[in-house]
Amino acid sequence: DQQVKQNSPSLSVQEGRISILNCDYTNSMFDYFLWYKKYPAEGPTFLISISSIKDKNEDGRFTVFLNKSAKHLSLHIVPSQPGDSAVYFCAARGVLRVGNEKLTFGTGTRLTIIP
Amino acid sequence: NAGVTQTPKFRVLKTGQSMTLLCAQDMNHEYMYWYRQDPGMGLRLIHYSVGEGTTAKGEVPDGYNVSRLKKQNFLLGLESAAPSQTSVYFCASSSAWDSSTYEQYFGPGTRLTVT
Repeated sequence: DQQVKQNSPSLSVQEGRISILNCDYTNSMFDYFLWYKKYPAEGPTFLISISSIKDKNEDGRFTVFLNKSAKHLSLHIVPSQPGDSAVYFCAARGVLRVGNEKLTFGTGTRLTIIP
Repeated sequence: NAGVTQTPKFRVLKTGQSMTLLCAQDMNHEYMYWYRQDPGMGLRLIHYSVGEGTTAKGEVPDGYNVSRLKKQNFLLGLESAAPSQTSVYFCASSSAWDSSTYEQYFGPGTRLTVT
């Protein structure tokens, strides 16, 4: 049962335009959502996060939107740059009990920025 | 400050052989994790640890064992490797006290092939 889903395996965007990556989740107990970026042959690196009590968080060119009623979040990158070409993973934090905080990852979306 | 390091970077095993993957972190983090990444599957949690001397099963623990004898090290063992364990393995760590982002810091990965 995939609790965090990224339904688009790939996305191509022209340089300078907006990139929108989407993520859906099924577990209403998730309390925090994170986006990670991964280049080939490297580990994922943290990009931006949002608490479930907020609906928007912005950091420079990156903005994450959360729609709790739809159980949907999206990452907006504006403007897109060639260095943004990478695989993006959505992750959700679930707390069952203290010491059992875990992240559940989506399957990733490969973003390609076309110069 | 090296962050999270993994040894080795690459390994080829024959079916039935055993090996240990080493993860080390220098950030004094309490929590450590082992994930595997397979095409179309995202990152799946194998085992994790919330402190020295403690381990717990994640999403896909079968065929793996772990140990956390020292706070900075988290070992992943394969006692009898199978082709289904061909994957890229990532180690990660996080602070038990950082509630601002719940970020996990990842190592560069180990690419394991079992023939």
